[in-house]
Amino acid sequence: GQNIDQPTEMTATEGAIVQINCTYQTSGFNGLFWYQQHAGEAPTFLSYNVLDGLEEKGRFSSFLSRSKGYSYLLLKELQMKDSASYLCAVREGNTDKLIFGTGTRLQVFP
Amino acid sequence: KAGVTQTPRYLIKTRGQQVTLSCSPISGHRSVSWYQQTPGQGLQFLFEYFSETQRNKGNFPGRFSGRQFSNSRSEMNVSTLELGDSALYLCASMGTGDGYGYTFGSGTRLTVV
Repeated sequence: GQNIDQPTEMTATEGAIVQINCTYQTSGFNGLFWYQQHAGEAPTFLSYNVLDGLEEKGRFSSFLSRSKGYSYLLLKELQMKDSASYLCAVREGNTDKLIFGTGTRLQVFP
Repeated sequence: KAGVTQTPRYLIKTRGQQVTLSCSPISGHRSVSWYQQTPGQGLQFLFEYFSETQRNKGNFPGRFSGRQFSNSRSEMNVSTLELGDSALYLCASMGTGDGYGYTFGSGTRLTVV
């Protein structure tokens, strides 16, 4: 079957570092995406991994291990505006279909 | 360039009615996907269109249908609405050859009463 798991909620303090984990089991794999979604808004693209390793983009980094079916999103120097839901999604095989996890709601406190 | 445009933003319908939602992708994008987002289920894939052809379909009943026009604009239709169809419906477009070019619209919030 297809399953993507991520924690439902996380909290962190402004200025800290937080790691959001995502594990997946899908029938095919052609890339893993992280999206950020603020309440009432559209998901916005954060990162994409298709090969094993770390992709860094400013304060955000994403890691992928295909053999373990595992990814994480690392947020550094947290800001209040980072309070949002973070969605992990896997693209299946040779399609453009994304399978999403239910999302992790991150709350950043001062 | 303009983003993905979805209309209407909000919609209230009665059980048993039908509804049509519209999505205009980014200019030049030929792939359009639709997702349903609910608090308990997250984003669930409905269907994907490319050059007016449905390429993929999710596990939704036949009441959910869609189409894509020659200008890449897409519509989705839900017939015989049920209370459980209340959700945010998101459209995403992607350009040919984009490894990670999914761009989402702001969605249509459908409430069925």
